[in-house]
Amino acid sequence: LAKTTQPISMDSYEGQEVNITCSHNNIATNDYITWYQQFPSQGPRFIIQGYKTKVTNEVASLFIPADRKSSTLSLPRVSLSDTAVYYCLVGDGTGTASKLTFGTGTRLQVTL
Amino acid sequence: EAGVAQSPRYKIIEKRQSVAFWCNPISGHATLYWYQQILGQGPKLLIQFQNNGVVDDSQLPKDRFSAERLKGVDSTLKIQPAKLEDSAVYLCASSLRPREQYFGPGTRLTVT
Repeated sequence: LAKTTQPISMDSYEGQEVNITCSHNNIATNDYITWYQQFPSQGPRFIIQGYKTKVTNEVASLFIPADRKSSTLSLPRVSLSDTAVYYCLVGDGTGTASKLTFGTGTRLQVTL
Repeated sequence: EAGVAQSPRYKIIEKRQSVAFWCNPISGHATLYWYQQILGQGPKLLIQFQNNGVVDDSQLPKDRFSAERLKGVDSTLKIQPAKLEDSAVYLCASSLRPREQYFGPGTRLTVT
């Protein structure tokens, strides 16, 4: 059973806000939600992580409802350089029992 | 701060040959990871080290893959013998905090 489910792809115009939702119905009490971004020919890059409610940094916001069964990564005013694959990971990352597992991610295409 | 270094960046070998990849993590990062990323898929964790001890190698094909982390710093990943299906990008990552991993540029392996 997959730990997370996210859309395969999304399209957006430059300047728009993009929201990518991830479902994680079986999230465990100790699990965090972490998002990574990957550009072609590069390794993934950490964007943001959260446990509950809302987290914001200089790059994105992460919204997590009270039941924690889903989360939404929000990218404000995207630009062409935000075209990448975005991965949602669930786990505490401390070992085999709750390792962070990358799915196939969401491929975001930003155009003019 | 220097990032995660990997070498070589590209490698082409014939099936049944051996190959080794090297990784130098960010200074002070106790945790080191090796991932395999097949084209179009998310990275798959092969092995996770905490200092020079193995935390998780449940997805490492131990009949042909081996990894070591000497003195808790640099690490090597070896494949012997290689198969066609081993063609992938091999990513090394390190972290200070469990969920915030820093990835290297990867090694693209082609097995012919």
